[in-house]
Amino acid sequence: KNQVEQSPQSLIILEGKNCTLQCNYTVSPFSNLRWYKQDTGRGPVSLTIMTFSENTKSNGRYTATLDADTKQSSLHITASQLSDSASYICVVSRGSYIPTFGRGTSLIVHP
Amino acid sequence: DTGVSQNPRHKITKRGQNVTFRCDPISEHNRLYWYRQTLGQGPEFLTYFQNEAQLEKSRLLSDRFSAERPKGSFSTLEIQRTEQGDSAMYLCASSPEGDSNQPQHFGDGTRLSIL
Repeated sequence: KNQVEQSPQSLIILEGKNCTLQCNYTVSPFSNLRWYKQDTGRGPVSLTIMTFSENTKSNGRYTATLDADTKQSSLHITASQLSDSASYICVVSRGSYIPTFGRGTSLIVHP
Repeated sequence: DTGVSQNPRHKITKRGQNVTFRCDPISEHNRLYWYRQTLGQGPEFLTYFQNEAQLEKSRLLSDRFSAERPKGSFSTLEIQRTEQGDSAMYLCASSPEGDSNQPQHFGDGTRLSIL
């Protein structure tokens, strides 16, 4: 069964700290993996996209890694800001255009 | 780039009524997707259009749901005889044709509440 599992389900950190979110998937065949940020009441916004041959991709303070052999990805957030409080969703696509979404990790950054 | 626009943003209706949502994608995007998202969950795929052709439909899309994209531009999603379980956020996304690794651009959704 094609699944995307994210951990932790929720995370609370202090402003300025770093954090890492995890994504494990069983989706096959693999086409690409995306991380999205979703603010409350808004649509998801793309942070990074990685294909099979890429192991890391950065977007400002966000760095995503991909290990296609173990089917794991992580999203590292550096020097967190209050505006980073959101849900972070891992999305894996197969050869078709239909993606499989994880349930997301809810991140709260406290001042 | 004006982004993906969805209307209305909120819809409250009584069980059994029909509702229709509209999505205006980014103008040069050929691909359009509909998703449903409930609280604490990730979006679930409903259906996908390439121009005016509906190419994929999820098993989640029961007979009460119908989507159209008549001229390959905006799209509508209609739910007939709404049920309590239809309460959710309905998201629309679009992406350009060609590279399937292009990101999908999402609208801010229509939140449906069934009384």
